[in-house]
Amino acid sequence: NAGVTQTPKFQVLKTGQSMTLQCAQDMNHNSMYWYRQDPGMGLRLIYYSASEGTTDKGEVPNGYNVSRLNKREFSLRLESAAPSQTSVYFCASSPLPGQSNYGYTFGSGTRLTVV
Amino acid sequence: GENVEQHPSTLSVQEGDSAVIKCTYSDSASNYFPWYKQELGKRPQLIIDIRSNVGEKKDQRIAVTLNKTAKHFSLHITETQPEDSAVYFCAATLSGYSTLTFGKGTMLLVSP
Repeated sequence: NAGVTQTPKFQVLKTGQSMTLQCAQDMNHNSMYWYRQDPGMGLRLIYYSASEGTTDKGEVPNGYNVSRLNKREFSLRLESAAPSQTSVYFCASSPLPGQSNYGYTFGSGTRLTVV
Repeated sequence: GENVEQHPSTLSVQEGDSAVIKCTYSDSASNYFPWYKQELGKRPQLIIDIRSNVGEKKDQRIAVTLNKTAKHFSLHITETQPEDSAVYFCAATLSGYSTLTFGKGTMLLVSP
C-alpha cells in the first residue's frame, strides 16, 4: 500500500518549457488535489477533483491544467513554465466526504525549479 | 470563501515545555479542523483532527481545542521533545462541501 505516489521528485525546467507532474493513489479515494507550497505562504490549492470526471479551480490555477485520468490518477500540467512557478508541489487525496477519516493524505512532493 | 489565520509563525521552546499554536477561521459553517505536521523536506502528515460537535480531543501529548463561538481552535503539545520540531499547519473546511483551507504554518523549534 504505497498511499499517494508523485513523480518526479525533482525537476529543473527552462522558462517556456512544459511538463506534467504525475500523481497516483491506491487508497480508493474519490477526491484528489494539487497544492503548491512556497515559503511563508502555506499550502495553496491549484486544482482539485472532487470525483472521477470532475475538476475545479482552486486559489491559484493560472498557468496550470489538470487531468483526472481515472479514479487513481490526477496529473498537473505546466504548458509554459515561468520562474514564478518555482515551488514544491504536493498531490493529495481524501476519501468520500462523511467518512470517518476525512483527512488528506499527501504525496512526497515534487521540487520544481524554473530558470 | 474560508480564510484561516495561524499564529505564531515561529515558536521556540525548551524541551519539556508546552507549546500552543492558535488558528482562527472565518466561515462559521466550517465543521472539520485537522492539524498537519511537516518535518523538513517531508510531506505534511495528519496528526490530529476535530469536528465541530466536539470541544476537545486528545491523543497522548497532543490535544486540540475548538471554540465555535469565537471561531478559533488551538493545538497544544505538552512535554515537547526535539522530534516535535517541524512546521505545523492548521486547516478548516465544511466537510463534504469544500476543500481544506490551510493556515500559513508555524515553525516549532524545540531545543534540548
